[in-house]
Amino acid sequence: AQRVTQPEKLLSVFKGAPVELKCNYSYSGSPELFWYVQYSRQRLQLLLRHISRESIKGFTADLNKGETSFHLKKPFAQEEDSAMYYCALRTTGGGNKLTFGTGTQLKVEL
Amino acid sequence: EAQVTQNPRYLITVTGKKLTVTCSQNMNHEYMSWYRQDPGLGLRQIYYSMNVEVTDKGDVPEGYKVSRKEKRNFPLILESPSPNQTSLYFCASSFYPYDRRNYGYTFGSGTRLTVV
Repeated sequence: AQRVTQPEKLLSVFKGAPVELKCNYSYSGSPELFWYVQYSRQRLQLLLRHISRESIKGFTADLNKGETSFHLKKPFAQEEDSAMYYCALRTTGGGNKLTFGTGTQLKVEL
Repeated sequence: EAQVTQNPRYLITVTGKKLTVTCSQNMNHEYMSWYRQDPGLGLRQIYYSMNVEVTDKGDVPEGYKVSRKEKRNFPLILESPSPNQTSLYFCASSFYPYDRRNYGYTFGSGTRLTVV
């Protein structure tokens, strides 16, 4: 069965410091990976998808099939980046199901 | 505005008293799903529906029911709620079959349920 692992429950960085939120997955087929963000008391929002290869709010993520990873990175953290971040995996043949990791709370301190 | 609307936002109820959480979307999405969010466990899928009258169990369906009589609505029913169903619930929708041109799930604002 597919699985998404986010090893850090909490990541605390200073403003202006680089950020890397880790995500590893297990799936034998061709995965599709997403990052979702949840700001305090708000709904989950799609941040980015690996197939888009885009940068959103300064965040990027590269799918590394060899390491089965999809880490989220930002060179300079901003206070407004503080939120809960979820990595999610969609598998081919799995209907439209997204399997989520347990989430990482990012706290950006001044 | 394209959105997924859940009601109520907050609900406190007693053990055994049947309740329904409503979910409605205005994007003509075929696929709808319910998740529960618990600290340390992330989001876990309860039930999903790929179209009208088509529903199936997710990873944690015990104690829940759903129905999909109309495309836009996907209510979550707790026939006899118990304290272990205290959680934050999210409804989500998307197009189906999945199209890589679309942008994945659209989530509702969540329903915080407390069962005492």
